Amino acid sequence: DGGITQSPKYLFRKEGQNVTLSCEQNLNHDAMYWYRQDPGQGLRLIYYSQIVNDFQKGDIAEGYSVSREKKESFPLTVTSAQKNPTAFYLCASSLSGTGVRSNYGYTFGSGTRLTVV
Amino acid sequence: AQSVTQLDSQVPVFEEAPVELRCNYSSSVSVYLFWYVQYPNQGLQLLLKYLSGSTLVKGINGFEAEFNKSQTSFHLRKPSVHISDTAEYFCAVILTGGGNKLTFGTGTQLKVEL
Repeated sequence: DGGITQSPKYLFRKEGQNVTLSCEQNLNHDAMYWYRQDPGQGLRLIYYSQIVNDFQKGDIAEGYSVSREKKESFPLTVTSAQKNPTAFYLCASSLSGTGVRSNYGYTFGSGTRLTVV
Repeated sequence: AQSVTQLDSQVPVFEEAPVELRCNYSSSVSVYLFWYVQYPNQGLQLLLKYLSGSTLVKGINGFEAEFNKSQTSFHLRKPSVHISDTAEYFCAVILTGGGNKLTFGTGTQLKVEL
């Protein structure tokens, strides 16, 4: 079955460390997204990519970096510059373009819970 | 700029009672509207969406929502809830003709009690 796989499910980071969260999809979707979820704040967009080798900052990109070398993969690195990284991170994908075809909604992964220790 | 408001952070309800989760949006252009559900420590699952056409949209698990353009609302309803409906519900919007970036509300925690 097609879907999105996020790994690991739980991740612990020491102060000052960079960590990378994995996101892989086999839906043949063009666009991929990273969201951060904190209690009571909903989901906030970190980065998104509409096509391979291209990505844009979302609303809260500071302290994060991404790459999109393959259509299937969109890893997120949480750098030491991110002062409050403890959160639940969700990856999503969708068909790209404009119009109705692009707006069938997103498919989400099951998330990675990152905790700073 | 677009925004989504979910006024109720928590909604307690007894099993088999009806429920309405409220969602209002603000946008200077037309929007596409979505409701997602999230069970604990899981990703989001699409419940239903409004793209065009009939303003009453039916989704999975017996949920439905009505698009009201004059009130800029997209409230989610279910006539009789079950314990298994306990979850967090998110309303979200996409601007028409503006790519496909989803903007989410802050979520409503639905707690169904016996």
